[in-house]
Amino acid sequence: AQSVTQLDSHVSVSEGTPVLLRCNYSSSYSPSLFWYVQHPNKGLQLLLKYTSAATLVKGINGFEAEFKKSETSFHLTKPSAHMSDAAEYFCVVSGNTGFQKLVFGTGTRLLVSP
Amino acid sequence: DGGITQSPKYLFRKEGQNVTLSCEQNLNHDAMYWYRQDPGQGLRLIYYSQIVNDFQKGDIAEGYSVSREKKESFPLTVTSAQKNPTAFYLCASSPGQGTASAFFGQGTRLTVV
Repeated sequence: AQSVTQLDSHVSVSEGTPVLLRCNYSSSYSPSLFWYVQHPNKGLQLLLKYTSAATLVKGINGFEAEFKKSETSFHLTKPSAHMSDAAEYFCVVSGNTGFQKLVFGTGTRLLVSP
Repeated sequence: DGGITQSPKYLFRKEGQNVTLSCEQNLNHDAMYWYRQDPGQGLRLIYYSQIVNDFQKGDIAEGYSVSREKKESFPLTVTSAQKNPTAFYLCASSPGQGTASAFFGQGTRLTVV
């Protein structure tokens, strides 16, 4: 079975400061991992994905995430927050082979203050 | 442009009525999914379909039904048996195999009045 734990339900940062959103996963086999972003009353947009290639993954809008197998983590970071980054972020795990059933974390709401 | 279209964006339903949410994709994806989103609970899988004319229950299928008669379409019916239907519903599609990412529609907000 696979699962994802997002360690913070809310994260508050000031504009221009770094962002760290934490995600730990559990998987009995090599996983694929994703980060999605959701703005209010909108669908989800893919930020980045890890699929067993490079462990440091770069995504859109300056976000990146590092896959650490020893820590079973896939934390999302950005060097400098922008007001437009305020949204809900979801960490997602799925298998690498066979049918792709996505398992979602409960989400982290990022608040950015001026 | 390729993508997923959900309609309507907002939907109001009286208690005891069935209602159908539309989801159409033109990405030529084999797999389609329906998720329910409630505050603080992330996304929970209702039904998914790997191929036309086939679908499986997800984690919270009770009170819902689906059909997959065409590759492009995966409508969700919220029946009167669903005791707490007010939620935000998201449809997604993906190639279905391997490591490809899923694409999401813009969602339908259903409110029972």
